[in-house]
Amino acid sequence: DAGITQSPRHKVTETGTPVTLRCHQTENHRYMYWYRQDPGHGLRLIHYSYGVKDTDKGEVSDGYSVSRSKTEDFLLTLESATSSQTSVYFCAISDAGGRQETQYFGPGTRLLVL
Amino acid sequence: AQSVAQPEDQVNVAEGNPLTVKCTYSVSGNPYLFWYVQYPNRGLQFLLKYITGDNLVKGSYGFEAEFNKSQTSFHLKKPSALVSDSALYFCAVRDAANQAGTALIFGKGTTLSVSS
Repeated sequence: DAGITQSPRHKVTETGTPVTLRCHQTENHRYMYWYRQDPGHGLRLIHYSYGVKDTDKGEVSDGYSVSRSKTEDFLLTLESATSSQTSVYFCAISDAGGRQETQYFGPGTRLLVL
Repeated sequence: AQSVAQPEDQVNVAEGNPLTVKCTYSVSGNPYLFWYVQYPNRGLQFLLKYITGDNLVKGSYGFEAEFNKSQTSFHLKKPSALVSDSALYFCAVRDAANQAGTALIFGKGTTLSVSS
């Protein structure tokens, strides 16, 4: 999985609690992304980062925040988890950052919000 | 707005037969097109991409894809399917007019089932 790890791999939490997911890369790539995967929707972008402390919103960013204090780590926080945020979350990285870039994906985190 | 359509939720083929997984796209500029495969409980693996040039793109595991600009399609093909090809396949697009680093737009995915 291209030098990308995600933690935790599985998590069960309760509605209203904060949750933080971590993505760690060993490739020194500049761009990092958080997607969620839901049946019938494919993958949808939550947030992305184009450098340390540089982030921007994606298609489905409401209820999520991110931080990137180091090149290798990109954190996704659900500020107050809701059942609609039950999903599989994937981190991705890309190399050159150009429009031709290929994104490489981590193994995913399966989150269940009760 | 960019979009990708995968018109078939599931494709069933027999081992040894050719397979096609369909993808059509809509972008305002020139497209950059990608195929990924996802095996159960795994992340997405990159198969191939079309940027420019030859309309037939060859990728990993014997897969290839044909870019057709007039039909706005990018169908994934393999001459002889294997049972191990059974997986979930995603087509994705990026509009060349977009800035670097922005997201891929994914289709909803097509489940390929290859029977022995």
